[in-house]
Amino acid sequence: AQKVTQAQTEISVVEKEDVTLDCVYETRDTTYYLFWYKQPPSGELVFLIRRNSFDEQNEISGRYSWNFQKSTSSFNFTITASQVVDSAVYFCALSEAGRDDKIIFGKGTRLHILP
Amino acid sequence: EPEVTQTPSHQVTQMGQEVILRCVPISNHLYFYWYRQILGQKVEFLVSFYNNEISEKSEIFDDQFSVERPDGSNFTLKIRSTKLEDSAMYFCASRPTGEKNTEAFFGQGTRLTVV
Repeated sequence: AQKVTQAQTEISVVEKEDVTLDCVYETRDTTYYLFWYKQPPSGELVFLIRRNSFDEQNEISGRYSWNFQKSTSSFNFTITASQVVDSAVYFCALSEAGRDDKIIFGKGTRLHILP
Repeated sequence: EPEVTQTPSHQVTQMGQEVILRCVPISNHLYFYWYRQILGQKVEFLVSFYNNEISEKSEIFDDQFSVERPDGSNFTLKIRSTKLEDSAMYFCASRPTGEKNTEAFFGQGTRLTVV
């Protein structure tokens, strides 16, 4: 069965600090996909990244970077030089390659960036 | 940019009433999903729909729920005899066919409040 664990329920950092959000996943499939979504206070789900299980290259997009480590089943997300607008709930998610491709979400990490 | 549209954005209903949540997926997408997020909790998979039928449903999706694609563009979630615990944000998502596990595009959500 698939499972996503985000151990950090809530994190607060001061603006301009770097912050890493942890994500650990479980799956029996060899082919799977990992996602990060951002949920700002307005409530919508904003797609940030998708990574497939065969691509362990880390990715950087502006101030965002992702570290995929298959050996530890982790897909961590780092925000560099955080800004107040980064305050949101961040969800890590997993989808196994199958007919339905449903996405299973972690419980989310609420990130507060303090001015 | 094409987007998934959900209506209404907020629905208040009395306990025991039936509600229909509406979604217009992106036009060339063939996989559709409903997810639920109880306030402050994680996003939970309800049901996936492909080729005019349910392809998978979670244990949450019991006889109280049904989905339909009545006219080839709308995708609806009906909740019969609503209960207080049905209060949540309901997200519709769609995904194109072709490459497996492409990004699922989420709508803005409908906040359902059962009183």
